[in-house]
Amino acid sequence: EVQLVESGGVVVQPGGSLRLSCAGSGFTFDEFTMHWVRQAPGKGLEWVSLISWDAGTTYYADSVKGRFTISRDNSRNSLYLQMNSLRSEDSALYYCAKALNRWEYSRSSFDYWGQGTLVTVSS
Amino acid sequence: QSVLTQPPSVSGAPGQRVTISCTGSSSNIGAGYGVHWYQQLPGTAPKLLIYGNSNRPSGVPDRFSGSKSGTSASLAISGLQAEDEADYYCQSYDSTLSGPYVFGTGTRVTVL
Repeated sequence: EVQLVESGGVVVQPGGSLRLSCAGSGFTFDEFTMHWVRQAPGKGLEWVSLISWDAGTTYYADSVKGRFTISRDNSRNSLYLQMNSLRSEDSALYYCAKALNRWEYSRSSFDYWGQGTLVTVSS
Repeated sequence: QSVLTQPPSVSGAPGQRVTISCTGSSSNIGAGYGVHWYQQLPGTAPKLLIYGNSNRPSGVPDRFSGSKSGTSASLAISGLQAEDEADYYCQSYDSTLSGPYVFGTGTRVTVL
């Protein structure tokens, strides 16, 4: 059974930093692109970032570019999101999601999602 | 601001058929990129409902169907049931954006 479990969400002050983690299991982690998607309270889904199966390709939403860094450790079946210079508008539930198809980082859908980890940016 | 536009809400009585539109442009849906749909029940993570315009993952009832034409796509729910009350999002790919994955604005389905 595929499982994705996020962790690391806390309350942080504006300008602060945070690292989110996502542990994957039940699938061959190093064959799939992984994504971060966020959802502000009461709002819609916003795609944040992706990293290809071999970490060779990364993309970011304009809203986080230059402040967030995605990475992965395939030996640990883990995905990360380093978040710096946090703003109040970064407050959201952060989901990690798995791409549907192997060896693909464009055009994909997300077939499995974690339950999310809540980040609150507030003084 | 999302590049994929959905109606904020749709509603229907049990057993009825409802449709949700997802309007994009020539740089995303109209460029031939696939449209995917997600269902988000209250308090839960999104669930993949339709991928590649019209394909259902294993376990998704055939009451759910997807289609695409030009720069728009649609999700249809036939035989509406109380358990279908949820938020629905379309998603696609936009090659003109540096962050190329895009979600629709979301639609709340209410079962009357």
